Amino acid sequence: QKEVEQNSGPLSVPEGAIASLNCTYSDRGSQSFFWYRQYSGKSPELIMFIYSNGDKEDGRFTAQLNKASQYVSLLIRDSQPSDSATYLCAVGFSEAARQLTFGSGTQLTVLP
Amino acid sequence: SAVISQKPSRDICQRGTSLTIQCQVDSQVTMMFWYRQQPGQSLTLIATANQGSEATYESGFVIDKFPISRPNLTFSTLTVSNMSPEDSSIYLCSVEVGNEQFFGPGTRLTVL
Repeated sequence: QKEVEQNSGPLSVPEGAIASLNCTYSDRGSQSFFWYRQYSGKSPELIMFIYSNGDKEDGRFTAQLNKASQYVSLLIRDSQPSDSATYLCAVGFSEAARQLTFGSGTQLTVLP
Repeated sequence: SAVISQKPSRDICQRGTSLTIQCQVDSQVTMMFWYRQQPGQSLTLIATANQGSEATYESGFVIDKFPISRPNLTFSTLTVSNMSPEDSSIYLCSVEVGNEQFFGPGTRLTVL
């Protein structure tokens, strides 16, 4: 059974701070890792994906992957109130974005 | 990316009836996926639909309950059969484009 665990939160950070979202996964064969943002009542939208150990940066977002520890994280720098949403970690068994297993999500609130 | 539409956007149905949800994408894609998101929970993959072959169902989901059609590379349907209140959920289709998975807006189903 493939499992993806996230801190359920809610996580609150002040505007301008760094928000840190964490995710662990159970299947060592996992190859692809995705972070989605989901606003209330909306469908998930992809923020980033990462395949290799280390950091991957895209604007204010940084994804970090440590396959040995089976751990992936998302850092949001200079958090904005518009970042307030639920963040979903998803893990795939192949390098393609298919048959993803999703975590339960972390609800983030950025306080103005 | 991909533009995905779903019909209906929401519906209220009676116990024991069936509902067919349509998913249309603006480009040809090999793989389409159907997910369920129950209230306050994360996404659970129901099945993967490839054009020209039978859908592949995840553990806990069966074809008799969730028959899927995939008549061409831009369209798929998911039927929720013999509904019960436990089927009340948001049903989302998604497609793989490159190494990313994009989601439709979802169908919010309430079963009375």
